[in-house]
Amino acid sequence: QTVVTQEPSLTVSPGGTITLTCASSTGAVTSGFYPNWFQQKPGQAPRALIYSISNKHSWTPARFSGSLLGGKAALTLSGVQPEDEAEYYCQLYYGSGSWEFGGGTKLTVL
Amino acid sequence: QVQLVQSGAEVKKPGASVRVSCKVSGFTLSDYYMHWIRQAPGQGLEWMGIIDPTGSTGSARRFKGRFAMTTDMSTSTVYMQLSSLTSGDSAVYYCARVPNLFPSVTAPLFDFWGQGTLVTVSS
Repeated sequence: QTVVTQEPSLTVSPGGTITLTCASSTGAVTSGFYPNWFQQKPGQAPRALIYSISNKHSWTPARFSGSLLGGKAALTLSGVQPEDEAEYYCQLYYGSGSWEFGGGTKLTVL
Repeated sequence: QVQLVQSGAEVKKPGASVRVSCKVSGFTLSDYYMHWIRQAPGQGLEWMGIIDPTGSTGSARRFKGRFAMTTDMSTSTVYMQLSSLTSGDSAVYYCARVPNLFPSVTAPLFDFWGQGTLVTVSS
């Protein structure tokens, strides 16, 4: 059973910087996991933010960035805005078309 | 513009089956893998399975045997069917796309999603 682990919750002040991480129970997250990041607000479908580690979608605000950090995938928000309060999900690729999502991080902007 | 439009909410009894459709427009279905993801109330996202343009499928181990996906290229519609429903299958079901050149080519993944279909399983 593969498990993808994220911080359950994080709090950040407006204008601050915060990093969310995404770990795999199989070991270090590398480029071959093609990590994706999604933002979801209540009652809405998930919105794609980052694909394949660090690539932004055309609508992704510049303050969001993705990377690999210490064996994990990471999503960094710089200059956090109140509207960034949401649930964030990472997603990792395990081959043969198979993906797994992390449990999500509830980000509070306070 | 790219759109994935899913069928409406369903209420099913335990043991029944449900079929959800995802009609796409604004892109060529044969250029993409289509994925199904679900989200139970108050819970996280759960990847369910993939169908490629040839109709080959793959699914998460926990759904094997009761989860099927099909594609109708003539109507640009993808279908998923989940059988032997239990209350644990009550969730919002989403379709989403991935370019069929993945992973050979770096391109946006899971960029567009359907609006979601609420499936409620209740006696």
